Amino acid sequence: ETGVTQTPRHLVMGMTNKKSLKCEQHLGHNAMYWYKQSAKKPLELMFVYNFKEQTENNSVPSRFSPECPNSSHLFLHLHTLQPEDSALYLCASSDQNQETQYFGPGTRLLVL
Amino acid sequence: GDSVTQMEGPVTLSEEACLTINCTYTATGYPSLFWYVQYPGEGLQLLLKATKADDKGSNKGFEATYRKETTSFHLEKGSVQVSDSAVYFCALSEDTGRRALTFGSGTRLQVQP
Repeated sequence: ETGVTQTPRHLVMGMTNKKSLKCEQHLGHNAMYWYKQSAKKPLELMFVYNFKEQTENNSVPSRFSPECPNSSHLFLHLHTLQPEDSALYLCASSDQNQETQYFGPGTRLLVL
Repeated sequence: GDSVTQMEGPVTLSEEACLTINCTYTATGYPSLFWYVQYPGEGLQLLLKATKADDKGSNKGFEATYRKETTSFHLEKGSVQVSDSAVYFCALSEDTGRRALTFGSGTRLQVQP
């Protein structure tokens, strides 16, 4: 596989469930990002990881918990979500020497 | 803080019509500017970029010129196709070393045959 992959592509969960989103990049990049895309709103940056270290948390509620075990993998652990958390969650990666970010296809999340 | 403003959509055009999607930005430094495209059911793809004033980014018939004097980066195409139907996002990247992108709200383009 090439590029940035995300699994699952679709997820439906109840407010008491725990689930995880996975992102994997095959581009040799060392920075990874989580974005949230809600209807009629600009993309919102959630987290930035650089060389596995979190360098930015954009005031994200603690019910979203990121994990970056290595430069190729990024997870978003979900716990006790709210219906307003329903959105498309996009992962991206970039090289430290480039500004261009490469995006995965996203996970469409529905919280019931 | 930095921000990006795009024209509201949807924009509906007939095939072979000319396209302009306006984008203006506010930034304290000298950002790089990007256009990303999102086709239905997919993630964002980089369409083109420009890293300094007066640079012109181009790809697949689309063009945008970095205009510092008007803080704009309008997307243009001379003849659109049905396959160009998508959502287009203007974005900027600060020149401070923080590499996260600031996006506009997106403009949906619908091209009719």
